[in-house]
Amino acid sequence: DTAVSQTPKYLVTQMGNDKSIKCEQNLGHDTMYWYKQDSKKFLKIMFSYNNKELIINETVPNRFSPKSPDKAHLNLHINSLELGDSAVYFCASSRGKGWETQYFGPGTRLLVL
Amino acid sequence: GESVGLHLPTLSVQEGDNSIINCAYSNSASDYFIWYKQESGKGPQFIIDIRSNMDKRQGQRVTVLLNKTVKHLSLQIAATQPGDSAVYFCAEDAGGTSYGKLTFGQGTILTVHP
Repeated sequence: DTAVSQTPKYLVTQMGNDKSIKCEQNLGHDTMYWYKQDSKKFLKIMFSYNNKELIINETVPNRFSPKSPDKAHLNLHINSLELGDSAVYFCASSRGKGWETQYFGPGTRLLVL
Repeated sequence: GESVGLHLPTLSVQEGDNSIINCAYSNSASDYFIWYKQESGKGPQFIIDIRSNMDKRQGQRVTVLLNKTVKHLSLQIAATQPGDSAVYFCAEDAGGTSYGKLTFGQGTILTVHP
């Protein structure tokens, strides 16, 4: 029944490693997003894909690369992890590109040591 | 606890009281607004939304008010319950080429005491 799911829920890794976070939605939505929430609870959009096409790409280091194999999946790959990448990463989806409610996943808690 | 070190605005109420959470948004071009509730360890959960052609919208126990003149949004929760304790975020969508790009406010911690 889970609408937007993410794996893993927790990710602890060393600086310099490469890691991926996966997201899947079973809502039949066309648009998916990645957000980063820092330790102060500030939520900021990183990327958005609509029907596998990148439509929002905020000022994010190019170590972060989203990939959408199909419109139900949006994965986030992070190269050369840094301490400052430690945060909670949320995936979300919406039916369309704008004026649409975005539904969030449970989050992936990334800790870089 | 939830609020340690966060320094977010906080609102403490007694169970059964009405709560009002305020939000000042930044972009006068924003035309869609959403309130989200985030419980500890979970993702943001949709509460209610409003478009810029409205100034009030009601849901179950919640009402959102929009004042575009002063770029202010508020969320009213009637008969607040302990289960309403969470961090509440407002978000704005500037539309146009920014369709879907939600800009979130800083959040307000609501604590409901039984």
